[in-house]
Amino acid sequence: AQSVTQLDSHVSVSEGTPVLLRCNYSSSYSPSLFWYVQHPNKGLQLLLKYTSAATLVKGINGFEAEFKKSETSFHLTKPSAHMSDAAEYFCVVSDRGFKTIFGAGTRLFVKA
Amino acid sequence: DTAVSQTPKYLVTQMGNDKSIKCEQNLGHDTMYWYKQDSKKFLKIMFSYNNKELIINETVPNRFSPKSPDKAHLNLHINSLELGDSAVYFCASSLGTGQGTTEAFFGQGTRLTVV
Repeated sequence: AQSVTQLDSHVSVSEGTPVLLRCNYSSSYSPSLFWYVQHPNKGLQLLLKYTSAATLVKGINGFEAEFKKSETSFHLTKPSAHMSDAAEYFCVVSDRGFKTIFGAGTRLFVKA
Repeated sequence: DTAVSQTPKYLVTQMGNDKSIKCEQNLGHDTMYWYKQDSKKFLKIMFSYNNKELIINETVPNRFSPKSPDKAHLNLHINSLELGDSAVYFCASSLGTGQGTTEAFFGQGTRLTVV
């Protein structure tokens, strides 16, 4: 069985400071893991994905995530937040493509 | 060109009506999905089709019936709409075939409001 837990429902940072959005997962298989972003009243856009290659994954807009099997974590980071990063972020685990499980989401607020 | 397109974008209807949401993808993907996003932004998979065959049906009332005429289309028909059906419905597609996993590409969503 798979599950994914996003440890924070809301994160607030100041513009220019680092971002950390936390995600833990469980999976019976070697998982594929993704981070998606959803801006207000928009669809979902893929930020980055891990599919058993390099454990440090770089995505779009300066985001990256590190897969840590020992900690079953896949936290999303960005060195310096921008106002345009304010959005809802979803961590996703997938088993071989047929079933994807979304985390509950983390709302990122960026203060000027 | 829009990769995954849904229509309509907004749908307001009365309780008891029957409505359909259409989805088309031009990515050549084998797998398509319907997700429901509730008012708290929680996304839950409803159905998954692979090459027109139903793969996943996640405890969805049988008032919801997906139909896949070909692998580029997955439509969602809802009978006897209820207030609790109000949500944003997302269609998605991916190359997922069980042998490997790729990311899902999402449509822009259909905001369904039942009054």
